[in-house]
Amino acid sequence: EAQVTQNPRYLITVTGKKLTVTCSQNMNHEYMSWYRQDPGLGLRQIYYSMNVEVTDKGDVPEGYKVSRKEKRNFPLILESPSPNQTSLYFCASSASPGGRTEAFFGQGTRLTVV
Amino acid sequence: SQQGEEDPQALSIQEGENATMNCSYKTSINNLQWYRQNSGRGLVHLILIRSNEREKHSGRLRVTLDTSKKSSSLLITASRAADTASYFCATDHQAAGNKLTFGGGTRVLVKP
Repeated sequence: EAQVTQNPRYLITVTGKKLTVTCSQNMNHEYMSWYRQDPGLGLRQIYYSMNVEVTDKGDVPEGYKVSRKEKRNFPLILESPSPNQTSLYFCASSASPGGRTEAFFGQGTRLTVV
Repeated sequence: SQQGEEDPQALSIQEGENATMNCSYKTSINNLQWYRQNSGRGLVHLILIRSNEREKHSGRLRVTLDTSKKSSSLLITASRAADTASYFCATDHQAAGNKLTFGGGTRVLVKP
């Protein structure tokens, strides 16, 4: 079954404690991205990756890092989380960049930073 | 910045009725997609329509695109309780590079 898997689904952490949200896809997609979803603001892109070792900033990259060492994995790293990063996070992958093909989304990670 | 803006923000209908929601955008697009999101869960792709297409159908879904008005509509016919969800349009803009830009969504409640 084609899927994007994110872990963990829920996470409560304290300010400043580094964390990583993992994302893995089994569709051999080259393009992957991270979004955050906040009430009233819709989904905003954090980072995206066109292929292995190729990453670039989206609309709201501050406070986040990503890496793409393997095609299937695209972890999101918060080196020093702050309360304004409390949000619902989604990883997505697609065969082509932009909107040329459908995007597959993970189930989301609800992060609370206290 | 949000390019797609959905209208209405929320919609409540009875089961069996049709639901229509609209998406407007500001700059020229290559493609437009519609997604569904059940409460707090991941988005699920519904339909992709390209800039040179005017209408597409998928089951009970009908999407139209009017590039002259920079708008799209999603029609759900004969709605069911299971259609209760938020619906998002996502645009792929010619000048925006390699990303989808999502609107704020329309929350649809289908009452049994």
